[in-house]
Amino acid sequence: DSGVTQTPKHLITATGQRVTLRCSPRSGDLSVYWYQQSLDQGLQFLIQYYNGEERAKGNILERFSAQQFPDLHSELNLSSLELGDSALYFCASSRRTDGRDQYFGPGTRLTVT
Amino acid sequence: GESVGLHLPTLSVQEGDNSIINCAYSNSASDYFIWYKQESGKGPQFIIDIRSNMDKRQGQRVTVLLNKTVKHLSLQIAATQPGDSAVYFCAENYGGSNYKLTFGKGTLLTVNP
Repeated sequence: DSGVTQTPKHLITATGQRVTLRCSPRSGDLSVYWYQQSLDQGLQFLIQYYNGEERAKGNILERFSAQQFPDLHSELNLSSLELGDSALYFCASSRRTDGRDQYFGPGTRLTVT
Repeated sequence: GESVGLHLPTLSVQEGDNSIINCAYSNSASDYFIWYKQESGKGPQFIIDIRSNMDKRQGQRVTVLLNKTVKHLSLQIAATQPGDSAVYFCAENYGGSNYKLTFGKGTLLTVNP
């Protein structure tokens, strides 16, 4: 158990809908990273937050957004969902800001039908 | 580019044998490398890391080798056990303005009893 929690574990929704994925980092970790894992693209970095502020952006679509709250939990919002958004979404947390020492959560499996 | 790739998508070994998983990276500016293990239905789990000022680092039953000349990374697992069966990812990280981890596609290791 990494200490990072993610909810829900599974999510099934229809195209065009909007969903919110939640991540609680390890105690004391200020950085949260979001990743998308699909069969054809592997693990792709989406976005990083540090202590409530956006720190780095990766291959995140404009339909996707994230935020980190004062209690350090983070939410990833996915809107206007398409079939191709079906994937595993992981968050990771770290005490560092430089991308190192990341601990991953168990992931949320999103299925868009 | 920032690609990180694996030479072999699958590797099958007998229990008790040593396993070697390889990874090529293309960004010569990368200064930190990590190996993650991902079991079915779980998030990536940190195995071992190495900084670019080292060429070898050992952990418990695992050794990571870094050859900066040819931009190659390998993970050696000694006395492979059935519990080692998983997908193994290498990832690279570099400082500057981009703090993300770039992951390879992964190698599926299957340990036969």
